[in-house]
Amino acid sequence: KAGVTQTPRYLIKTRGQQVTLSCSPISGHRSVSWYQQTPGQGLQFLFEYFSETQRNKGNFPGRFSGRQFSNSRSEMNVSTLELGDSALYLCASSLVRDRSGYTFGSGTRLTVV
Amino acid sequence: KNEVEQSPQNLTAQEGEFITINCSYSVGISALHWLQQHPGGGIVSLFMLSSGKKKHGRLIATINIQEKHSSLHITASHPRDSAVYICAVQGANSGGYQKVTFGIGTKLQVIP
Repeated sequence: KAGVTQTPRYLIKTRGQQVTLSCSPISGHRSVSWYQQTPGQGLQFLFEYFSETQRNKGNFPGRFSGRQFSNSRSEMNVSTLELGDSALYLCASSLVRDRSGYTFGSGTRLTVV
Repeated sequence: KNEVEQSPQNLTAQEGEFITINCSYSVGISALHWLQQHPGGGIVSLFMLSSGKKKHGRLIATINIQEKHSSLHITASHPRDSAVYICAVQGANSGGYQKVTFGIGTKLQVIP
């Protein structure tokens, strides 16, 4: 069975641009969550979507947004990119909220120059 | 003080040793996760705990809710266990949101 697929794997953007990252969960998984990982801050939770609704969110500015489609695929958007947004962005999917473990994708490595 | 504290931050062990990684947290939680991250970034979810103990192969995870503490044990460690192990807590429901907080991670190196 296919795992969690994140695209693209690598991305280089310029300050001020915006970027959209995609996450396709495991078939049947309805919960998708997003995380940012940087050497300085470690892993941080961005937000979680379930049944097309944002159910949880972390402490990130409004430049970070996301959405989930009816097929459970999710996208994350970052507008007005800053150098500090350079990070590995990971998504994870789970079958149901709270009661099942998570499967992570391989991540999208974003570099802002 | 961080909401999630892991110890040790770095650990070197000889192959075959019994390894313990600790995680302490200061908030009410609905669940605690142990994650494994290999070089290159891939993360694997090892355990999700809300009480008691879970075992999978050579890995054992325990949680003491009263003491706000969890441990991850690796028996008969092997070089392929070398990775960063991360503890994450899923906060108790508050206003509809459950904050997820991660520990800084424990870098484990198992030497043959």
